[in-house]
Amino acid sequence: GAGVSQSPRYKVTKRGQDVALRCDPISGHVSLYWYRQALGQGPEFLTYFNYEAQQDKSGLPNDRFSAERPEGSISTLTIQRTEQRDSAMYRCASSLGPEKLFFGSGTQLSVL
Amino acid sequence: GENVEQHPSTLSVQEGDSAVIKCTYSDSASNYFPWYKQELGKGPQLIIDIRSNVGEKKDQRIAVTLNKTAKHFSLHITETQPEDSAVYFCAAGRNSGGYQKVTFGTGTKLQVIP
Repeated sequence: GAGVSQSPRYKVTKRGQDVALRCDPISGHVSLYWYRQALGQGPEFLTYFNYEAQQDKSGLPNDRFSAERPEGSISTLTIQRTEQRDSAMYRCASSLGPEKLFFGSGTQLSVL
Repeated sequence: GENVEQHPSTLSVQEGDSAVIKCTYSDSASNYFPWYKQELGKGPQLIIDIRSNVGEKKDQRIAVTLNKTAKHFSLHITETQPEDSAVYFCAAGRNSGGYQKVTFGTGTKLQVIP
């Protein structure tokens, strides 16, 4: 596609529910990143994929957060047993090489 | 880990004036310094970047400078236009297993007054 596509654009869920956020990167981009951005803050690194391999998950806050990219293209970030503190904008980015990230418009998650 | 501080948090300038945003970083191993512009409702967009072996880089009305000794880097926008109004993020990163792991600053909201 023309850019990084994320869905849904908005997600409202109740505390304790699981959510899955989807990212469709720019075609051909081998690198895929997930970031979380709180209001008024810069993006915070969560995890990195090189093709289908998750090479760095050091930014995932706890074991309720997981991500996958099974075929080296579309990626899903899953949050289990959501909590109110998980409310934030979740952004996906992709790149051809190690620099120049292209960000998507994000998924705004609200946990009630 | 890396810590990036960014100032000011908000900046208002008259159209045609210059704007300067400053950042500091803590990790001396950082070697890549990108700047992103984020417009309302959109994701951050890379506008310029600089590597640690370069002290200054310019692209039309924007320029970045880097002082590795002081761990300072700055974004300069000249002849500002209303469309420059946005939130700007600096970031610092280093090679980590073949990819750049960047840490972002907290952002500067730039308002250009027509």
